[in-house]
Parts: sequence; structure tokens; C-alpha cells
Amino acid sequence: DQQVKQNSPSLSVQEGRISILNCDYTNSMFDYFLWYKKYPAEGPTFLISISSIKDKNEDGRFTVFLNKSAKHLSLHIVPSQPGDSAVYFCAASTTNSGTYKYIFGTGTRLKVLA
Amino acid sequence: DTAVSQTPKYLVTQMGNDKSIKCEQNLGHDTMYWYKQDSKKFLKIMFSYNNKELIINETVPNRFSPKSPDKAHLNLHINSLELGDSAVYFCASSPQGQGYNSPLHFGNGTRLTVT
Repeated sequence: DQQVKQNSPSLSVQEGRISILNCDYTNSMFDYFLWYKKYPAEGPTFLISISSIKDKNEDGRFTVFLNKSAKHLSLHIVPSQPGDSAVYFCAASTTNSGTYKYIFGTGTRLKVLA
Repeated sequence: DTAVSQTPKYLVTQMGNDKSIKCEQNLGHDTMYWYKQDSKKFLKIMFSYNNKELIINETVPNRFSPKSPDKAHLNLHINSLELGDSAVYFCASSPQGQGYNSPLHFGNGTRLTVT
């Protein structure tokens, strides 16, 4: 039972354009969402997060949007740069579960073309 | 300075052997995790320890035994290795246990290959 889904395994975008990565979740108890970036042979690194009390969080070129009614979040990267080429994972957790469990999606490989 | 470090980076071993992976974090975090990334690239939680206490055990075979000697270390011992154990194992830590959510900090992974 995959509670966090990234339905696009890969995405190619031209340098300078917007990259939009999508993530869907099924558990309505999730209230904290994160995006991670992963380069080959390295661990995932934290990119940006959003609490369920917000619908948008912005950090430089990265913006995460949360649509709670649709159980959907997206990561926008503007403008995309070749160094953004990596695998992006979304993750979700429940703040008050007491178990601090993060559930990850299967990732989307982003390729930014120069 | 590496915040979450795990050793070894690569581990090749034969079926039936016993092996250990070590993890250390110097971030002062209270909670540590082991995640497994299988061939389908799915990052799945295995264990979580908070202040040396096991708080998550995700129906992992009991051949896998985590050990936390102190809150900065979480080691993973695997007995009687099987082919299906081949995966990348990631250690992570976070300051959970202090009443709020925050991101996980991952190590660079240990690629385990069982032949």
C-alpha cells in the first residue's frame, strides 16, 4: 500500500524553464511534507518542506504547493539549471503520531537540458 | 564535516554470511533511522530509534537487528544474508523527540550486494 506516489518516473526540461514535479498521497493524517534531492551515490538531501497549515512555501528558486483537498503537492523549480538534474523524492509524515515516520515516494528523475 | 556518516560504502558478501553496517551522526539529534532502497528505488523505513529506544520496527525479518549504543550511533547487523537483502541502506537522523517535525538528514548509503 503505497501512501505516497510519484507517478512520473522521469521528466526532461530545458534550462531556464520551469520544472514541475508532482506527488500524490492517500493518508489524510499526513500533515508535514518534504522534498528531497538525490544525486547518484549520495544520500537524499533536504530541499524544502511544507506544513499542512500552509498551501505554499517558497525558498529561492524552489516552491512547494500543497492542495489538501486533492491530496496533492508539487515542487516548482524556476528557472531550472543543469545542476538541478537529480532524482527528487517527496515524503510525508504525521506530526502527532509519536513515531516520527516519514513515508517516501518512488522518486522522479529530473533532467535539465543545457 | 560529515553530519551522518555510515560505513562501509560498499559491501559485497556471500549468502549466509553475517555483516554489520555502522552509522554515526554528529548533529546532536535524538532520533536515528535505517531506510532501505530496493531495486525499484523505493525508500522504505526499517527502524527508528529515539534516544536509544526502538520506536519503529517495520516488519523487518528478525535477521536484521539494529543496535544503538548511544544516541549518536545506530548500527545495523544482518544475519544469514539472502540475495533479496541486496539494496542500498541509508542511515538518517533528525531532532524529533522534541515535539516538532523536521527534515531527516541522510548518510551517503551503503550498497550491499549479496552473491
